[in-house]
Formats: sequence, C-alpha cells, structure tokens
Amino acid sequence: KNQVEQSPQSLIILEGKNCTLQCNYTVSPFSNLRWYKQDTGRGPVSLTIMTFSENTKSNGRYTATLDADTKQSSLHITASQLSDSASYICVVTPLSNDYKLSFGAGTTVTVRA
Amino acid sequence: EAQVTQNPRYLITVTGKKLTVTCSQNMNHEYMSWYRQDPGLGLRQIYYSMNVEVTDKGDVPEGYKVSRKEKRNFPLILESPSPNQTSLYFCASSLLGDRGQEQYFGPGTRLTVT
Repeated sequence: KNQVEQSPQSLIILEGKNCTLQCNYTVSPFSNLRWYKQDTGRGPVSLTIMTFSENTKSNGRYTATLDADTKQSSLHITASQLSDSASYICVVTPLSNDYKLSFGAGTTVTVRA
Repeated sequence: EAQVTQNPRYLITVTGKKLTVTCSQNMNHEYMSWYRQDPGLGLRQIYYSMNVEVTDKGDVPEGYKVSRKEKRNFPLILESPSPNQTSLYFCASSLLGDRGQEQYFGPGTRLTVT
C-alpha cells in the first residue's frame, strides 16, 4: 500500500477560482514534506517544502499546510491561472533515509478559461 | 544553465534488445537517482547513487542496472527489456548534506517495449 495518498485524483476548475488538494501519509517519522508541480511532458519541479515542525509555507499563489498530528497536508491554489494546469505531487522524506522518498500518485488539475 | 539532461527522450524498442538511457547533470551533485512513473502509481525509485562508484537499490530495481563511473553521469541500463518496463523514466540529482535538499529532475524518457 502506498504510504502517500492524494485526493482527488483529478479536478477541473475555472480560471480565477481557488482549489485545495489533499495529501495523507503514513510515513513516520519523517523529516520533510514537499509539493512538486509536474507539467505535462516535463519533470517535477519543487513548489514548497515543510519540515515536520512547520505548519504552512507559501510560494506565490501556492500555500501548503501540514498537520503532523493527523498526518495530512494540503496545497491551496489561489486565483488559478491556465498555467496552473498540471499534476501536483506530494512527496514525503522519511527520517531514516533522506534519499528513499515516498511519492503520491498526484492530483491532475485542469484550469479552464 | 543548471540542468539534468536525459537521452533519448523517446524510445521504442523490442523485447530483449539491450538499451541504455543516459543521464547527466552539470550541478556537481553527489546524489543521483532513477525513477519510473506509471499511471496511478506515482514515481517509484529504481536505483540511486550517493557518489561515484556508490549505488544502491530503490523500490523497483528488478530488470535494471546502473553505474556511476563519473560524478556527472548516471546511465540506466536495461539488459533485456520486457513490455512491463514500458514507462516514463526520470533521472534526478541533488546535493548531499542537509536534509531537505531539493531533487532536480530531468525532462523524462518515454520508453515503449513491444
């Protein structure tokens, strides 16, 4: 069973609207949680990173939150733009090994004009 | 420009014909890794390397080989490809050291084995 579960699998939103993506994980203990954005046909690019002691981190219109007690993270996209159409991947780094990451399957976001 | 490059970007081959996918980074990163990405499964680690001549298995190493003879290069070798190795492959690199080092990904190689 995957240690990182993301929901929804996909969503469609209108340009200018907000949306929130969810990530539930069982990796424990962990050192950090990162959200990546992957455009179609490209490699993933890091959006935010949070250590286990952080609750929120922003990068422009992207805001990630972390609740280490419930093992949940969310990524909020504000005032969506067409360029936000991509897959968003939640990645958790276990404390025991920085280099064996656990990846979620991703949420595919489609922004329509 | 700092980047990770992969070649080829697209490859169609037949079962059993040995192939190599190259990966190169120009950031002097110690750590490099190979992943495969399949629909609904997310990225899964194949092999990783902490430095020259130091490699280790990831979660799905069967059917793959790697080598790290130079710091900048980390080729992925499929000695006898099979259809279940049809996938999108990504190479990534990062610095070693402090936790939370970002992994930089290459553009991907789409492999089809018939």
